[in-house]
Amino acid sequence: AQKVTQAQTEISVVEKEDVTLDCVYETRDTTYYLFWYKQPPSGELVFLIRRNSFDEQNEISGRYSWNFQKSTSSFNFTITASQVVDSAVYFCALMQNYGQNFVFGPGTRLSVLP
Amino acid sequence: SQTIHQWPATLVQPVGSPLSLECTVEGTSNPNLYWYRQAAGRGLQLLFYSVGIGQISSEVPQNLSASRPQDRQFILSSKKLLLSDSGFYLCACNREERPETQYFGPGTRLLVL
Repeated sequence: AQKVTQAQTEISVVEKEDVTLDCVYETRDTTYYLFWYKQPPSGELVFLIRRNSFDEQNEISGRYSWNFQKSTSSFNFTITASQVVDSAVYFCALMQNYGQNFVFGPGTRLSVLP
Repeated sequence: SQTIHQWPATLVQPVGSPLSLECTVEGTSNPNLYWYRQAAGRGLQLLFYSVGIGQISSEVPQNLSASRPQDRQFILSSKKLLLSDSGFYLCACNREERPETQYFGPGTRLLVL
């Protein structure tokens, strides 16, 4: 069975600090996809990134970076020099191959204080 | 790129009343469509998904039902709402060129009193 764990329920940082959001997943499939979504206070989920299980190359996009490690079944998300606008709930998700549904983690609420 | 519309944005309904939430998609054809519910302060729960007109799969037995009368229309319904139906309802779809990724609509906040 698939499972996504986000052990950090809430994180608070001061603006300009770096912060890492943890995600650990479980799956028996060798082919799967991992995702991060951002849910700002408005509620809409915003797609941030997708990685497939064969691509362990880390990715950087501006202040965002992702560290995918199959050996530890982790897909962690780091925000560098955090800003108040980064305050949101962040969800990690897993999909097996071309399965019909996602499995979402419980989310991590990030508060960036000015 | 596709655009997902959800209507209404917010809704307050009494217990026992019917429900109809609508999701429409523009800019893509034959998408997979999904309904999720997010209870207050909690994660997302998949309720229904559809791979085509008239094809509905239910993930969780409940008081709700879904229908897909048109390719780009997905409706969530209930005959009699329960207090536990309160939550934030999100519609999602995938793109033809990226079937493994789901994109979400703006959501509907439902409060059952």
